[in-house]
Amino acid sequence: QLQLQESGPGLVKPSETLSLTCTVSGGSISSSNYYWGWIRQSPGKGLEWIGCMYYSGSTYYNPSLQSRVTISLVTSKNQFSLKLSSVTAADTAVYYCARGSDWNSAFDSWGQGTLVTVSS
Amino acid sequence: DIQMTQSPSSLSASVGDRVTITCRASQSIRTFLSWYQQKPGKAPKLLIYAASSLQSGVPSRFSGSGSGTDFILTISSLQPEDFATYYCQQSSSTVWTFGQGTKVEVK
Repeated sequence: QLQLQESGPGLVKPSETLSLTCTVSGGSISSSNYYWGWIRQSPGKGLEWIGCMYYSGSTYYNPSLQSRVTISLVTSKNQFSLKLSSVTAADTAVYYCARGSDWNSAFDSWGQGTLVTVSS
Repeated sequence: DIQMTQSPSSLSASVGDRVTITCRASQSIRTFLSWYQQKPGKAPKLLIYAASSLQSGVPSRFSGSGSGTDFILTISSLQPEDFATYYCQQSSSTVWTFGQGTKVEVK
């Protein structure tokens, strides 16, 4: 059974870079027909799609975050990562990693989420 | 970007009720529409993909319909474990977007 687990600092200072890792178990991150994404949820708010990286290497980002975000795969460790630069308090949120499939175009497996607070 | 608008934002219902939630896209998304259920403190769970296909393991009381710009999630007989927030999400373009959510509360 596929499992995803987010990890990274729970507190980041304003203007610094938020870095999170998603470790995948029970499946290979290099498998074709899958893509790997990040979604966040500010406290008490709805879901916001951050971006996805496809098995082909293509990446797609939310235009509102595109200038600050990078998603990459670390195939040797079966992990993928999120980097969000120049953070502000508005980036405080629970960050989820998830897997999507070509055949359903949806996120069918999710990590439990990790809260990242931006504060000095 | 394609905007997704859900209605209502919240609703009150009783166990056994039939519940419908609507999701409207700002432009045609064909059937690239998914529905998720989220309970407090938990990650979202995929219920429906491709507008009407039931994800494996999801009870058959959940169903989805629609195409183009208008979509509906139906819970045929609301169960106690169904009180949660529901989100639609489009994947028609390379920029995915979620609806703002519909909270289903106890009446």
